Order: sequence, then C-alpha cells, then structure tokens
Amino acid sequence: NAGVMQNPRHLVRRRGQEARLRCSPMKGHSHVYWYRQLPEEGLKFMVYLQKENIIDESGMPKERFSAEFPKEGPSILRIQQVVRGDSAAYFCASSPDGLPYEQYFGPGTRLTVT
Amino acid sequence: QQQVKQSPQSLIVQKGGISIINCAYENTAFDYFPWYQQFPGKGPALLIAIRPDVSEKKEGRFTISFNKSAKQFSLHIMDSQPGDSATYFCAARRDQAGTALIFGKGTTLSVSS
Repeated sequence: NAGVMQNPRHLVRRRGQEARLRCSPMKGHSHVYWYRQLPEEGLKFMVYLQKENIIDESGMPKERFSAEFPKEGPSILRIQQVVRGDSAAYFCASSPDGLPYEQYFGPGTRLTVT
Repeated sequence: QQQVKQSPQSLIVQKGGISIINCAYENTAFDYFPWYQQFPGKGPALLIAIRPDVSEKKEGRFTISFNKSAKQFSLHIMDSQPGDSATYFCAARRDQAGTALIFGKGTTLSVSS
C-alpha cells in the first residue's frame, strides 16, 4: 500500500510566481490535511479537506493561498505571488475514514522562493 | 490554550540509555496525543499515540506516559539506538469536533555509539 505521495519534492520559484503543490493520499483515505513547517519549528496546520469540500481552513493565510481536493485527482495547495516568507516545507497528510485524527504524512515539498 | 510545549529542544543519549521527551498542554479538550518521528529530509512518521483514558501505552521500545491531572505526557525510548537519532514531535488533537493537530516544536535526539 503506497504511502502519501507529494510532488514535486523540491520547488524553486521567484518572487511573484505561483507555486502548485500536489498530494495524493493513501489508498482508501478520504481526508487530506496540509501543514507548513518552518526551519526549527513544528508543523502548523493550514487546511483540512475531504473530496470536493474544504472542511477547515482556519490555519490558511487569507490571501494568496488556496487548496482544493477534487473528485478526481490529487489535492492541490496553490500559493499565488509567492514571497520569500513562503519558503518552507509543506507536508500533506491523509487519514482513513473513521479515524480522521490518525494522520499519515507524505515526504513533503520543499519550497524555496528566490 | 492551543499550545503544546515540548522539552528539551535537544537531547544527547548514549547507546542503550533511556531517552525521555516531555510535553505539556493547557486545553483540557485535547483528547488524542500522538508522537511523530522525523528524519532529515523526510516527512513525520506516526510513532505511537495515546488517549487520555489510559496512563501508559507501550509499543516495543517506545512508551507514552500520560498524566491527565498535570496535563503532561512524555515519550520514553528504551535501549536507545543510533538509528533512533531523529527529531521527535509531540502533538495533540485540537478539539473534539475538529481534526487538526497542534504540534510541539520538536526535540532533536542524538544517540551516540
């Protein structure tokens, strides 16, 4: 059973460009979460999605950030007009139905904004 | 209220020794407390988790001790090995209706051989 998959693993963007991060949950998991990790910090919750629905986006910055989890295909975290402060590791996690808090993380996407 | 405080920030233990990492929380609504292990360049891996209705949970060399009245929980790694060298994060489920995890800032463990 493949784990949570994320791509790309590394992404370099210039200031002002858009970043798109993709996450495919584990097979059988319908809950997806995005977290951000800054250097020397723990993970910070951003958004929780189920298929076609955003359940909780309380940790997501109000501007430039958006997330989706379409009926078909991976979940996508989009960051528009990136700034240097967006440089971080972005992790996706998924959980099985019935155990939404038991979260399994992907390898992360390391975003560098130059 | 929504924080999880983790200590120490870093820890050096000799091979075969016991590693102990502590976490404390304020929000009594937290009801699920996992520990994650993260190696450099990798994602966090779920190690072990506990609910507040039990005081201890053991899986192999890893044990969680939970003190509900003190609002503290800790990870004990028995017979620590160099392969255990990693960053460990404690976490708590944010609230009973939600599922977001609140993470501590992490403890970097180095096990010397």
